[in-house]
Parts: sequence; C-alpha cells; structure tokens
Amino acid sequence: EPEVTQTPSHQVTQMGQEVILRCVPISNHLYFYWYRQILGQKVEFLVSFYNNEISEKSEIFDDQFSVERPDGSNFTLKIRSTKLEDSAMYFCASRGEAYGYTFGSGTRLTVV
Amino acid sequence: EDKVVQSPLSLVVHEGDTVTLNCSYEVTNFRSLLWYKQEKKAPTFLFMLTSSGIEKKSGRLSSILDKKELFSILNITATQTGDSAVYLCARTDSSYKLIFGSGTRLLVRP
Repeated sequence: EPEVTQTPSHQVTQMGQEVILRCVPISNHLYFYWYRQILGQKVEFLVSFYNNEISEKSEIFDDQFSVERPDGSNFTLKIRSTKLEDSAMYFCASRGEAYGYTFGSGTRLTVV
Repeated sequence: EDKVVQSPLSLVVHEGDTVTLNCSYEVTNFRSLLWYKQEKKAPTFLFMLTSSGIEKKSGRLSSILDKKELFSILNITATQTGDSAVYLCARTDSSYKLIFGSGTRLLVRP
C-alpha cells in the first residue's frame, strides 16, 4: 500500500536554529498538508498546498514557516528560527482527487 | 467557530465490552466527518461519513452520522487489547482540511 514517508523521525534542535522537515507524498496525489500535534493536545492544521502554491494556511503558520515542493516529489516544511513552543509532532499528509487522506508517521521536533 | 468535541476524553474497559465514542461538530461549511485511530504516531483512517443515517462498518467497528443533530458515534464491539488507542474525530470543510477533536483515549484491559 502506498505510504507517505517523513524524515527524520526525530529531530532535536537549538532554539533559533532553522529546521527542514521532509516528506515524500504518495506519487499520484495532488494535495499536500502539514499538521502538528503538540504533546497532549489535538492535531492542528498548518497549511495546505496544491499546484505548487499554498492554498490555505492557519494562524499558526506565520512568517517563520514556509513550504516547498522543490523537485516534484519532496514536500518540505521549513521553520526559520525555531522556538520552544514549536516542539511538536509534525505530520505530513497527502490526498488524491477522491478522498484519500494518508498521513506520514511524523517527525518529532524537540526544540531545546 | 470550527469546533469538534469528543467525549468521553478517556475510557477504560475490559476485553469483550462494547464502547461508544461520541463526536459533535459545528456545521459551518461541513463536508464530511472522519474517524481515525492513533496508536503511536500517525492517525490511521477508519471511516469517512458524509450522509446522515447510513452506518459504515468494518469488522467490529461501525460509525454513523446524524447531520441534523450534528454528531457522530463510533462503536466498537467485542473490544480487544489491540483496540487500545486514541480515537480521533475530524470534520472537513469546503477546503478539505481536517479539523480534529481532542480525541478519546481508549484503554482495553485483558
């Protein structure tokens, strides 16, 4: 069964550093998403991406965040200057034309 | 306001019991309601519901949506220890983004 692959599975970074979280969506999917889950809290929508541009973003997705699909396969989330409160599990998801929302296994980001 | 409310927050049962998990939602731009199971990491898809009153079943799990009363239930019969997980309810709006509830943590004891 096709999978969404995320790397790394765990990243520890110092406050103020830039991090890039990587995702390989399912190859024939067209819609890509990032969600995050702070420990003990609900899963929250960050951003959706379609046709090489952001289609919607949440209030959380401020100027410190950016997304890219640099080479037609990878889908990345960059946090420019990490804060302690960015520590969370970040999930990538992709969706096909019919409903087919598949989540990756997540990247646990720890900001110290 | 986009809001999805799940109850109970947590539940402890014994193997063989039947459980009912509840999810209520706000109606704004509603498109569908989804149930996920989250064990260690990524949510895994269980059901998507778009029409009222039509039960969806998968083995011991079933779910139904009431669009008039704005809620859904997830039933698990003959629970097993492998059913222990957090069950997430989410709705989609016109943009298909998922709006999640806080989840119900289910623990099934042997």
